Amino acid sequence: AQSVTQLGSHVSVSEGALVLLRCNYSSSVPPYLFWYVQYPNQGLQLLLKYTTGATLVKGINGFEAEFKKSETSFHLTKPSAHMSDAAEYFCAVSGANQAGTALIFGKGTTLSVSS
Amino acid sequence: DSGVTQTPKHLITATGQRVTLRCSPRSGDLSVYWYQQSLDQGLQFLIQYYNGEERAKGNILERFSAQQFPDLHSELNLSSLELGDSALYFCASAGQAAYEQYFGPGTRLTVT
Repeated sequence: AQSVTQLGSHVSVSEGALVLLRCNYSSSVPPYLFWYVQYPNQGLQLLLKYTTGATLVKGINGFEAEFKKSETSFHLTKPSAHMSDAAEYFCAVSGANQAGTALIFGKGTTLSVSS
Repeated sequence: DSGVTQTPKHLITATGQRVTLRCSPRSGDLSVYWYQQSLDQGLQFLIQYYNGEERAKGNILERFSAQQFPDLHSELNLSSLELGDSALYFCASAGQAAYEQYFGPGTRLTVT
């Protein structure tokens, strides 16, 4: 079984500050991990993904995440927040094809950015 | 724009009614997934189709059903609607990399 826990339902930062959104996962198979972003009244957009290989993955809009197997974590970071980053962020896990590819989502973290 | 389209964008209906939500996947994608997003349950996987066949089921109620047609578009049928079925319903499609899913804009269903 797989599950995702996002620590903090709401994170507030100032423009230019570091963004850190936390995600821990549980998986009985090697996980595939994802971060999606949802802007108001829109669908989900894939920010970045980890499948295999390099544990530090870079995504769109300057975001990156690091897969840490020993800590079962996949935290999302961005060095300098921009007002346009304000949105809801979802961490998700799935298995490889043979284990099922449906995404299991965390409950989401709303990011607020103040000027 | 993900290339996944969903219609209608909004749907308002009464309890006990039946509705059909439609999804067209990205060109060439064979997999279609349906998800429900609600305030109390969050984002939940409902069902997956691959090239016309049901591939996986999640937390889908018996009152809900889906199918994928030969042209690969999919429909999610919701019947005997209850107030608690009010939610955003997303469709996602995937190609060869089945884990990389692209989401449509969603259908917001309001049951009154």
